[in-house]
Amino acid sequence: GAVVSQHPSRVICKSGTSVKIECRSLDFQATTMFWYRQFPKKSLMLMATSNEGSKATYEQGVEKDKFLINHASLTLSTLTVTSAHPEDSSFYICSATGTSGSSTDTQYFGPGTRLTVL
Amino acid sequence: GENVEQHPSTLSVQEGDSAVIKCTYSDSASNYFPWYKQELGKRPQLIIDIRSNVGEKKDQRIAVTLNKTAKHFSLHITETQPEDSAVYFCAAESGTYKYIFGTGTRLKVLA
Repeated sequence: GAVVSQHPSRVICKSGTSVKIECRSLDFQATTMFWYRQFPKKSLMLMATSNEGSKATYEQGVEKDKFLINHASLTLSTLTVTSAHPEDSSFYICSATGTSGSSTDTQYFGPGTRLTVL
Repeated sequence: GENVEQHPSTLSVQEGDSAVIKCTYSDSASNYFPWYKQELGKRPQLIIDIRSNVGEKKDQRIAVTLNKTAKHFSLHITETQPEDSAVYFCAAESGTYKYIFGTGTRLKVLA
């Protein structure tokens, strides 16, 4: 139980294009989803928190117009990196909490998406 | 806001020895502390967690201790094996379900 998928696993795009990353909870309803960014050999940096049906809450320093988050259903959240630039290249990981497991506040992570912007 | 410090940043142990990773947090309101293991290029996997109403929790070779007064918690791995080699992250819950992660500890178990 508590499986989170993420798609795509890898994406390479040209500078200036937009990229959408999907995060799905496969066997539970995710009331809250989180988006993280991770640089090589670094920790997970929380970008934003999204709750189903409401606007995402962004962490300080994260541009909400650049990183668009949509949590349209209890099993799907999307992150769109708009007008991507090389400095946006990173490993993006989502996590979800919800109605699964012994703890409703345990975060279960997706496998991550490696974004490379040329 | 919450701040979580983790040390050491790297740790090498001989196979069969114990490994200890320590974290401190700043927000006294935090009451949930998970530990994650992340292998290279893969997702963080929850390995153990502890709540503030408990001082210690054990699961086979892994244990976590929490000192709420001192605001620190530790991960203990006994009888380490090569497959324990990975990066370990502690976290403290800060606000509704939101985690603040430590900086990570790269554990190497030498065969």
